[in-house]
Amino acid sequence: GQQLNQSPQSMFIQEGEDVSMNCTSSSIFNTWLWYKQEPGEGPVLLIALYKAGELTSNGRLTAQFGITRKDSFLNISASIPSDVGIYFCAVPNAGNMLTFGGGTRLMVKP
Amino acid sequence: DTGVSQNPRHKITKRGQNVTFRCDPISEHNRLYWYRQTLGQGPEFLTYFQNEAQLEKSRLLSDRFSAERPKGSFSTLEIQRTEQGDSAMYLCASSLGTYNSPLHFGNGTRLTVT
Repeated sequence: GQQLNQSPQSMFIQEGEDVSMNCTSSSIFNTWLWYKQEPGEGPVLLIALYKAGELTSNGRLTAQFGITRKDSFLNISASIPSDVGIYFCAVPNAGNMLTFGGGTRLMVKP
Repeated sequence: DTGVSQNPRHKITKRGQNVTFRCDPISEHNRLYWYRQTLGQGPEFLTYFQNEAQLEKSRLLSDRFSAERPKGSFSTLEIQRTEQGDSAMYLCASSLGTYNSPLHFGNGTRLTVT
């Protein structure tokens, strides 16, 4: 089945630093999604990407749909403590069922 | 609050007991999904409904699991004869039935089987 590999698995950074994470697969996808999950809550959609090469921003977050359609990247600029959480990439298949990556756990030191 | 609602938030049960979880989707959403998430992993798809019809079931959904959405609104997920390996967060999500419509997740039911 589909497998999404997220890197890094975890990051511990200083407040104010920029963050980069990525998601790769051996399969080609037409949509890439990025979700954030905070403790005790469900995942919340941050950014959706629908076209290869697309670069989309949501505040301090920027995500890119890789040209090969096999990867995607998420960057967070000037991190703040409330950025703490687990960031998941996900791809939909027919019926809009999502396959999630293993997540990148972000910890921010004030 | 008009988001996806799940009850209970937490459930502790003894091995062998049956448990039932409920999900109330966003009212105009006709698609409803169940996912399972274990510690340190991403959510894994279990099953989904289009209105009252259950259209897809994952291989993860063993015979002890059953999901219903009798009137196309709320849904229940029942686990019979629970096992310790069933301990996980069970997430519900809903969406409109249109292409690429985003999934909105509830805050989950955390099941602990002792």
